[in-house]
Amino acid sequence: DVKVTQSSRYLVKRTGEKVFLECVQDMDHENMFWYRQDPGLGLRLIYFSYDVKMKEKGDIPEGYSVSREKKERFSLILESASTNQTSMYLCASNGASAGANVLTFGAGSRLTVL
Amino acid sequence: GQQLNQSPQSMFIQEGEDVSMNCTSSSIFNTWLWYKQEPGEGPVLLIALYKAGELTSNGRLTAQFGITRKDSFLNISASIPSDVGIYFCAGHGGSQGNLIFGKGTKLSVKP
Repeated sequence: DVKVTQSSRYLVKRTGEKVFLECVQDMDHENMFWYRQDPGLGLRLIYFSYDVKMKEKGDIPEGYSVSREKKERFSLILESASTNQTSMYLCASNGASAGANVLTFGAGSRLTVL
Repeated sequence: GQQLNQSPQSMFIQEGEDVSMNCTSSSIFNTWLWYKQEPGEGPVLLIALYKAGELTSNGRLTAQFGITRKDSFLNISASIPSDVGIYFCAGHGGSQGNLIFGKGTKLSVKP
């Protein structure tokens, strides 16, 4: 069964802490994405990557950075967490093939910043 | 930019009732997708539509790609308690760009 795995399901951090959210996919997908989900706002794209070492800003990149050193792994980094970054974070991936628009999502990482 | 309007925002229904939700776009899409997100989990793909007019079923779920390519609907027949969750539509214009998501329809089913 193909998967996108987000290793941290629930995190509680303090304001100013550096936070790493890890995502790994086993489908050999080229493209990986990070979204945040907030009530009433739906899914908003933070960053995405079309290849190793490549990254592109999404709609709300401020306060975030990403790292893609290996094809299967895409990390979201909060350099200095703030309370307004309390949210559900979703990682997703897809491949450059037929049906490529279909995203496969991880189970999510719920982050609380105190 | 492209926008998706998804309605209704939420629904409270009785078990056994049919459900209908829809999405409309400000521009033409080449792909429509419907996802379901259960509480505490990530969205899971329900149905993918790739052709205008296409009508596709997945068990009690039926989705259609509108003829104008600017809308899609999802129907759930004979709802059951495990249908609860948030249903998202998503569309893609076919050119460079990412999926555009609706804001979701939250479904609650009363046994």
